[in-house]
Amino acid sequence: QSALTQPASVSGSPRQSITISCTGTSSDVGNYNLVSWYQHHPDRAPKLIIYEGSERPSGVSSRFSGSKSGNTASLTISGLQAEDEAYYYCCSYAGLSTWVFGGGTKLTVL
Amino acid sequence: QVQLVQSGAEVKKPGASVTVSCKASGYTFTSYYMHWVRQAPGQGPEWMGVINPSGGTTKYAVKFQGRVTMTRDTSTTTVDMQLSSLRSEDTAVYYCARGIVVNAPPGSFGFDPWGQGTLVTVSS
Repeated sequence: QSALTQPASVSGSPRQSITISCTGTSSDVGNYNLVSWYQHHPDRAPKLIIYEGSERPSGVSSRFSGSKSGNTASLTISGLQAEDEAYYYCCSYAGLSTWVFGGGTKLTVL
Repeated sequence: QVQLVQSGAEVKKPGASVTVSCKASGYTFTSYYMHWVRQAPGQGPEWMGVINPSGGTTKYAVKFQGRVTMTRDTSTTTVDMQLSSLRSEDTAVYYCARGIVVNAPPGSFGFDPWGQGTLVTVSS
């Protein structure tokens, strides 16, 4: 399994919106609506922010949303805040009880 | 609250083995899968495998088959991950992360929460 493809970095100004893409194949992202997204601040444990493509766990801000089209999943963060500056990773179920992660995207809030 | 606490950092020589422990609390240990994920410096996370704490069954990523062993101890609510034949490329932070409730559709939900991570350094 190859890692999912994410842009290495994205940036945006406070109150703007940004979108992070996550491209896989018809064997993972395209075959299942089971993409999850994680926010990772350095020196903290990663945090689940989106699961099953577009669902938010309890307590996660509604500014985070997820979607999918074909083999590409996307994470959108609206109303950017300084605290959103972090690394973001996508992960897809790949069948037969296996999972594959993306390479990660560093979000910079300008 | 649900908490996963991992063992401390390790330094190992090439060819050695390492065991990282993950103690779970705040929920019914045998009701949720436990995954292991590692992240090498400057790289994205890499899924290593999963264990069903109820029966002890495991599924490992192809890349790690033959080198990784995941076990659980229900009496101490601890999951261990042993990686053998270490090489420098195994230098990474290793995380345990709780998965979905056992018997739920595989792949549903996500990994939540994660342990604090354990740095394993492989160096001669």
